[in-house]
Amino acid sequence: DSGVTQTPKHLITATGQRVTLRCSPRSGDLSVYWYQQSLDQGLQFLIQYYNGEERAKGNILERFSAQQFPDLHSELNLSSLELGDSALYFCASSPTGGEIIPETQYFGPGTRLLVL
Amino acid sequence: QQPVQSPQAVILREGEDAVINCSSSKALYSVHWYRQKHGEAPVFLMILLKGGEQKGHDKISASFNEKKQQSSLYLTASQLSYSGTYFCGTEIQGAQKLVFGQGTRLTINP
Repeated sequence: DSGVTQTPKHLITATGQRVTLRCSPRSGDLSVYWYQQSLDQGLQFLIQYYNGEERAKGNILERFSAQQFPDLHSELNLSSLELGDSALYFCASSPTGGEIIPETQYFGPGTRLLVL
Repeated sequence: QQPVQSPQAVILREGEDAVINCSSSKALYSVHWYRQKHGEAPVFLMILLKGGEQKGHDKISASFNEKKQQSSLYLTASQLSYSGTYFCGTEIQGAQKLVFGQGTRLTINP
């Protein structure tokens, strides 16, 4: 158990819909990273937040957005969903000082999204 | 920019050794190694920084050859618990982005 929690574990929805994935980092970790893992694209970095502020963007689509709240939990919003958005979405947290490339990061169990 | 991992898959018997390679066409600043078991989240193994590092703990070690822009992960006397998919994540110098390879699936049989 990494200490990072994600909800929900599984999500099934239809094309065109919008969903919100939630992540709570380890106690004391200020950085949250979001990743997408799919069979064809592998593990891809989406976006990073540090202490409420966006720190770095990776391959995140314009239909996706994220935010980090004052209590440090983060949400990833996916809208106008397409079949190709079906994937595992992980968040990770890091105890270091907000580096874009952390030395250590702890992954949550992931949310499996299926778009039908 | 995605690093290339080889082999894509390997099957070993318990006690045998394995080497997994991660190569980039760009100059690297760091290489990160993760293991992911089926249905679980990736788990951080180690990070190597430019300068030709070698690191290891227990029977898992890694090296970073800066000249070849390649990192190798060594698993010696493999145990059943080593089974999983191993990913390297590479940080290209100046890019400030971690890009992962497609993974190497390692299966350890008794």
